[in-house]
Order: sequence, then C-alpha cells, then structure tokens
Amino acid sequence: EPEVTQTPSHQVTQMGQEVILRCVPISNHLYFYWYRQILGQKVEFLVSFYNNEISEKSEIFDDQFSVERPDGSNFTLKIRSTKLEDSAMYFCASSDEGLSSYEQYFGPGTRLTVT
Amino acid sequence: QKEVEQNSGPLSVPEGAIASLNCTYSDRVSQSFFWYRQYSGKSPELIMSIYSNGDKEDGRFTAQLNKASQYVSLLIRDSQPSDSATYLCAVTFGGYNKLIFGAGTRLAVHP
Repeated sequence: EPEVTQTPSHQVTQMGQEVILRCVPISNHLYFYWYRQILGQKVEFLVSFYNNEISEKSEIFDDQFSVERPDGSNFTLKIRSTKLEDSAMYFCASSDEGLSSYEQYFGPGTRLTVT
Repeated sequence: QKEVEQNSGPLSVPEGAIASLNCTYSDRVSQSFFWYRQYSGKSPELIMSIYSNGDKEDGRFTAQLNKASQYVSLLIRDSQPSDSATYLCAVTFGGYNKLIFGAGTRLAVHP
C-alpha cells in the first residue's frame, strides 16, 4: 500500500541553524501539507501546497518557513534560523483530488530537536 | 476562531465493549469530518471520514455526524487492547483543505 515517507526521522540542530525536512508524498496525490505537533499539544496546520504553489498557510508559517517541490517526487520544508520553540514533530501529508482531496494521509514524521 | 473540542479522557473500556468517542466543532460551515488514530510517538492514521449527516460504518468503526448539533462521534465495537491510542477528531472548514484537529481523546482498552 502506498505511503508517505519522511526523512530524517530525527534531526537535532543548534539554535539559529537552518534545517530541511524532506517528504515523498503518495505518488498520484496532488495536494501536499505540513503539520507540526509540539509534545503534548494538538496537531497544527502549517501549509498546504497544490499545483506548485502555496494554497494556504497558517499564522505560524511566517518568513522563517518555506516549502518547495524540487522535483516530481520530493516535497520539502525549510526552517531558517531555528528557535528552541521550533522543537516538535513535523508531519507531511498528502491527498488526492476531488472529494478524496480532503482525506489526508500522514507520513511517520520528523522529530526536530533544537538545542 | 474555529475550534474542535474533545474530551481528553482517558476513556477506559473493557475488552469487547463499545467505545464511544465524541467531538464538537464551532463552525456551521464545516464540511468534512475525520477520525484519526495516533499511537504514542507515531503519526496520525486516518480511520474514518464522513461528509453528510447520519452514520457511516467501516468494520468495527461507525462514525456519526449531526451537523445541526455540530457533533461528530466515533463508535468502536468489540474494543481490543490494540485499539488503545489517542483518537483525533479533525474538521475542514469552508472550501479549504486544512485540517483543524482536536486535542484528542485517549482510549484505554483493558483485558
């Protein structure tokens, strides 16, 4: 069964450094998303991406963040100048089109630890 | 502010019983409703979607939606210890695909 994959599974970085989190969405899906979950808190939407552009972003997704689909399979989240409060699980998700576009399938996540 | 509310639990049920999980949402233009299961340290796993009023059954799971009451529920029949997890309710609002999650209800199924 096709699934979303993410790398790395765990990333440790120092405050102020840049990190790139990588995702390979399900191959025939057209919508891509990033969510994050701070330990013990709700899953929060960051950004959605469709047709090679951002379709929606949350207040969290400020100039510190960017997304890119550099090729036909990868979808990346870049976090510049990381802060301690960026420590969280980051989940990539993807969905198909039509009514199924609402059914989002999540990858296993990347645990980001900022020290 | 669009909100999705769930009782945090834990909801403790004996093996073989029916577990009933509830969720309310704040906005009447909500369109799509989902239940995800999240094991500790893992990612959300989609188990049910429901788009119209009424019941939707899939195996041991039944989702129930009442838009007038802004209420969605999940019933798990013949609960198993492997069902022990946090169940997340998620909703989309308006024409947007972003999911708004509740905080989740922790379910514990004891043998």
